[in-house]
Amino acid sequence: SQQGEEDPQALSIQEGENATMNCSYKTSINNLQWYRQNSGRGLVHLILIRSNEREKHSGRLRVTLDTSKKSSSLLITASRAADTASYFCATDYNQGGKLIFGQGTELSVKP
Amino acid sequence: DAGVIQSPRHEVTEMGQEVTLRCKPISGHNSLFWYRQTMMRGLELLIYFNNNVPIDDSGMPEDRFSAKMPNASFSTLKIQPSEPRDSAVYFCASSLSGVETQYFGPGTRLLVL
Repeated sequence: SQQGEEDPQALSIQEGENATMNCSYKTSINNLQWYRQNSGRGLVHLILIRSNEREKHSGRLRVTLDTSKKSSSLLITASRAADTASYFCATDYNQGGKLIFGQGTELSVKP
Repeated sequence: DAGVIQSPRHEVTEMGQEVTLRCKPISGHNSLFWYRQTMMRGLELLIYFNNNVPIDDSGMPEDRFSAKMPNASFSTLKIQPSEPRDSAVYFCASSLSGVETQYFGPGTRLLVL
């Protein structure tokens, strides 16, 4: 399967703490994206990192990409209860727009 | 911008019935994707279109599933006949060709009894 694998499957933290989620994939990619899904809703795009980039920031989000290890991490700093959601990595292998999604990390931020 | 619109939001049907799911992509977007999400299999790409043409339907589970995009503003996913194992949330997403970000609709929650 080309699907990315995410780790951990579930993460529970207190408000104000940082949350780190990891994603591994199997073959060369053009870009890797992170999406958030609130319960019962569609996915929302968070950030995209290209294969020639190593780190990217967006607000409280920081994404790293290590193509030699075929892995990426998403760091959410100073988490809030509103960050409670499932987070998915998605890889673009063929520049055709087709994304392969991981199984997701379920993040719970307790107030 | 209304975003991606899907209908119906919920569908309950009996095994053997035909089910039609509808999607209106964001105006101006020329790529459209149909996904299925289940607890067991996660989020799976079923088919995607570029400029109304099906590009990759390798994720379509079997001949009971079909998808069409008659114009740039409308797509359907049809299941005929439906089976209980088709129960899932079906998402439609659209994007602008050359821009990799996909915009998802709210999904259709399908229950086949």
